[in-house]
Amino acid sequence: QVQLQESGPGLVKPSQTLSLTCTVSGGSISSGSYYWSWIRQPAGKGLEWIGRIYTSGSTNYNPSLKSRVTISVDTSKNQFSLKLSSVTAADTAVYYCARNYYDSSGTLFDIWGQGTMVTVSS
Amino acid sequence: SSELTQDPAVSVALGQTVRITCQGDSLRSYYASWYQQKPGQAPVLVIYGKNNRPSGIPDRFSGSSSGNTASLTITGAQAEDEADYYCNSRDSSGNHREVFGGGTKLTVL
Repeated sequence: QVQLQESGPGLVKPSQTLSLTCTVSGGSISSGSYYWSWIRQPAGKGLEWIGRIYTSGSTNYNPSLKSRVTISVDTSKNQFSLKLSSVTAADTAVYYCARNYYDSSGTLFDIWGQGTMVTVSS
Repeated sequence: SSELTQDPAVSVALGQTVRITCQGDSLRSYYASWYQQKPGQAPVLVIYGKNNRPSGIPDRFSGSSSGNTASLTITGAQAEDEADYYCNSRDSSGNHREVFGGGTKLTVL
């Protein structure tokens, strides 16, 4: 079955760019009508959707983060990536990648990575 | 609107039925999906669409919707159901955004 695994630095300095990659295994990132999303969760707080990408390269971003976020996909490596620029301590969180399906009736995130903790600190 | 509102905490006696609610304008247009999250773990999808359960989710979990409110019902709550529950919906404002509720901490007494 499809599995997702996040990878990247666990510590990022303020004002720098956070970069994470999600590797999809057990299936092709290009199969099915799925989007591929990033979601984060600060310690003790709720979930915040960051954005998503389709394998065509089409993206949607959370308006609150849009100016700092770039999500890209590499279908040859079965991976998609997140870049968040100009980070501050407020960006410290567990970052999840997830498979997303949505249509005219609703949405769902059916497969999640285990999450990776990213701390922003000097 | 881009907000989904959940009660911060709900409790239920072992074996009883509990309803967790989620309110928001977007729920008039879209079904909610529901996620269970236990400490230190990633969220798990438990309900989506009108009332659909992914494979492996017990049938004591069910979903419903009316107006601007979506509900997750656990019939015969078990100790292992103690967790945080989040609702999620598409944003109905047309900006292709996903929205999560603030989460409900379910305690099984």
